[in-house]
Amino acid sequence: QKEVEQDPGPLSVPEGAIVSLNCTYSNSAFQYFMWYRQYSRKGPELLMYTYSSGNKEDGRFTAQVDKSSKYISLFIRDSQPSDSATYLCAMRGTGGFKTIFGAGTRLFVKA
Amino acid sequence: DTGVSQNPRHKITKRGQNVTFRCDPISEHNRLYWYRQTLGQGPEFLTYFQNEAQLEKSRLLSDRFSAERPKGSFSTLEIQRTEQGDSAMYLCASSLETGTNEKLFFGSGTQLSVL
Repeated sequence: QKEVEQDPGPLSVPEGAIVSLNCTYSNSAFQYFMWYRQYSRKGPELLMYTYSSGNKEDGRFTAQVDKSSKYISLFIRDSQPSDSATYLCAMRGTGGFKTIFGAGTRLFVKA
Repeated sequence: DTGVSQNPRHKITKRGQNVTFRCDPISEHNRLYWYRQTLGQGPEFLTYFQNEAQLEKSRLLSDRFSAERPKGSFSTLEIQRTEQGDSAMYLCASSLETGTNEKLFFGSGTQLSVL
């Protein structure tokens, strides 16, 4: 079993829809939770960074962490065709240096 | 701040050949990471440098792989006697250690194809 599980999709939504992306994990030592966006043939780009449980909002993006359920989510409001990319969840433990990534979910936003 | 730079962007080689990739991190960043990503998968950790010291190597990194970061600046990743299974995107990331609030910045990667 992988430490981080993420549905690879693809997920296809119409422009303007609310998108929900999720990951589950098994290692209770994870304390730092990230979401990266990766366009085709590019490196991952950090979108959201959250410590421990709770919500964080940045523009159209909201990240949620539920440590009791070992479940994290990324919500995208008013999705745009430019949001079409692969979204990777990632996490790391306190004092650790190794960031563990999910497999990524491919998102397509149709105009 | 010009970001993390990786060269070459693409490399095609024949099985058994040696290849070397270069990564130039963001100038003030003291940490440097190498990750490998295959199609449909997330990046997998390979190795990590703090300044010039290589502090951790993944078990994924066989003896054919070696990485260096002389003087704590740029880094190179060499693969000797390449195999078809080495075909992947090799990503470099750098960060500035700020206690617990560490954020990785990735380059665009080197896509390796072993024929």
